[in-house]
Amino acid sequence: QKEVEQNSGPLSVPEGAIASLNCTYSDRGSQSFFWYRQYSGKSPELIMFIYSNGDKEDGRFTAQLNKASQYVSLLIRDSQPSDSATYLCAGYSGAGSYQLTFGKGTKLSVIP
Amino acid sequence: DTGVSQDPRHKITKRGQNVTFRCDPISEHNRLYWYRQTLGQGPEFLTYFQNEAQLEKSRLLSDRFSAERPKGSFSTLEIQRTEQGDSAMYLCASSFTSGRSYEQYFGPGTRLTVT
Repeated sequence: QKEVEQNSGPLSVPEGAIASLNCTYSDRGSQSFFWYRQYSGKSPELIMFIYSNGDKEDGRFTAQLNKASQYVSLLIRDSQPSDSATYLCAGYSGAGSYQLTFGKGTKLSVIP
Repeated sequence: DTGVSQDPRHKITKRGQNVTFRCDPISEHNRLYWYRQTLGQGPEFLTYFQNEAQLEKSRLLSDRFSAERPKGSFSTLEIQRTEQGDSAMYLCASSFTSGRSYEQYFGPGTRLTVT
């Protein structure tokens, strides 16, 4: 069974600090990974995707993928109180399957 | 460019009743997905369509659940004989078929409460 694991948190960081969110996955065939932000009571919002080993940066966000270690991470620089949300990691297995497998999410709190 | 829309946003129904939800994807997207999310969990895949063809279904999709996308545009998800365990947020997403990463964009969801 394909699984995506995340630390449920909560992860608390002070405003302006770097928040580091981690995710591991069990399916070695997984090819593409996504980070979604979900505010309480709202639907998931796509913030980053990555499919190559290494880093991908977009503004204050950096996604990192290590396929050998089956590890994905999201760094949020200069964290703001508005970043307080649950962050969901998800992956595609490829091989003709287009369903996303999600982790349970990590709740991030940015303390002013 | 409008995003994915879902209707209704909230539905309260009594156990045993049938309910139907609608999803309108982003207009250029030809893949449409349904997920279900319960409190404290990530979304769970239910089914997806490419154009009007239903190509993949989860075993979570019992015979009380049916989904259609008759003209390859909007989709409906029907739950027959609802049970209290069906209470959840039902999420619709859409994506392109081309490209490498097929990123999925979610609608606002329909929150179902079965009493």
